[in-house]
Amino acid sequence: ETGVTQTPRHLVMGMTNKKSLKCEQHLGHNAMYWYKQSAKKPLELMFVYNFKEQTENNSVPSRFSPECPNSSHLFLHLHTLQPEDSALYLCASSLFGRTEAFFGQGTRLTVV
Amino acid sequence: GESVGLHLPTLSVQEGDNSIINCAYSNSASDYFIWYKQESGKGPQFIIDIRSNMDKRQGQRVTVLLNKTVKHLSLQIAATQPGDSAVYFCAEIPNGGSQGNLIFGKGTKLSVKP
Repeated sequence: ETGVTQTPRHLVMGMTNKKSLKCEQHLGHNAMYWYKQSAKKPLELMFVYNFKEQTENNSVPSRFSPECPNSSHLFLHLHTLQPEDSALYLCASSLFGRTEAFFGQGTRLTVV
Repeated sequence: GESVGLHLPTLSVQEGDNSIINCAYSNSASDYFIWYKQESGKGPQFIIDIRSNMDKRQGQRVTVLLNKTVKHLSLQIAATQPGDSAVYFCAEIPNGGSQGNLIFGKGTKLSVKP
């Protein structure tokens, strides 16, 4: 266990559904991230939050909407996804300014 | 259409041998270079990092070498064990980028034969 917990572990959703992924860490970290890992591309950074403020958005489509209510929780709200969005979504956290990021086990998302 | 998976380089070594995993990077201005290990069904796990002003750093059973002249990074694992079987990713933090803005390479799959 890395101390970063993601739920659910697996999710199957239709293209018209709305769902949310949850990430939680109690490591005292102040930076949290969403990454996408698909079979076709290397790990891709999606969003970065430092001290609850979004500091990076790597040209992610608006059908992905992040939310960081506090430094321990991070959500990824999903709506009207496409089949090509099927991937492993990984959450990570770190201390701001440190290179070591701790990853959760990911949510395996399948869009049908 | 047919989906094509990401082709991962593979490395197969005998238990007890040393492993060398290589990575080429493109951004000569990156501040840090990092190695991550990802076991099946798990998220990536930090192994070791090296700052751009260094050329070698050692950890427990691992050594990272940085050759800025040819933009090459390598991870050496001494006395490889079955538990080292995983996909290994190199990552870089671009100069001026936030510390969390990791740019990952494609990964190398390491298989350890008992």
